[in-house]
Amino acid sequence: DTAVSQTPKYLVTQMGNDKSIKCEQNLGHDTMYWYKQDSKKFLKIMFSYNNKELIINETVPNRFSPKSPDKAHLNLHINSLELGDSAVYFCASSQPGGRETQYFGPGTRLLVL
Amino acid sequence: AQTVTQSQPEMSVQEAETVTLSCTYDTSESDYYLFWYKQPPSRQMILVIRQEAYKQQNATENRFSVNFQKAAKSFSLKISDSQLGDAAMYFCAYNSGGGADGLTFGKGTHLIIQP
Repeated sequence: DTAVSQTPKYLVTQMGNDKSIKCEQNLGHDTMYWYKQDSKKFLKIMFSYNNKELIINETVPNRFSPKSPDKAHLNLHINSLELGDSAVYFCASSQPGGRETQYFGPGTRLLVL
Repeated sequence: AQTVTQSQPEMSVQEAETVTLSCTYDTSESDYYLFWYKQPPSRQMILVIRQEAYKQQNATENRFSVNFQKAAKSFSLKISDSQLGDAAMYFCAYNSGGGADGLTFGKGTHLIIQP
């Protein structure tokens, strides 16, 4: 059973396009996250949702819009893709609380040409 | 803002030997949690070990243990009896005690296991 799943795993697209990445967790967690891993492997939090409500938005351009239709899903929509958006995007989930382990999805590698 | 520093971009160790990966962090909070995550070439992020700041006892998980020095804000990972499967990127991460905070990661250490 896959705990946190993401689709697609790979995404190649042209500059200016709009794309979405979907994330689903079957762990019953209340909190979900999006992280970006750049070409140097640096991981940075983008968004955090708790019970479908946005908690954190870390200086992410407005072109990025997360949407949580329910507690088990957190999708990431990106408008007007730019070259600098090329990265690996990870979804994660946990129960609320700093001590809780965050479980990561397999990542989506986005390449903008 | 919290910061996490991993000063070793790459480390190499012989199979069956012991290696220590360094991590320091900066925070003004008293309640927080520290983690080591492993990222093998498969790209999957895997939790290795977790430490609560209020616990003085160092966490241990089989061959993995930490040396947590709260006053020095240091959180190193020791891997004993290194195995080929330990080869990966290792990330040190910080989380505050609050609700839906995201993890703050260090830049990672690439661990190479020499057979």
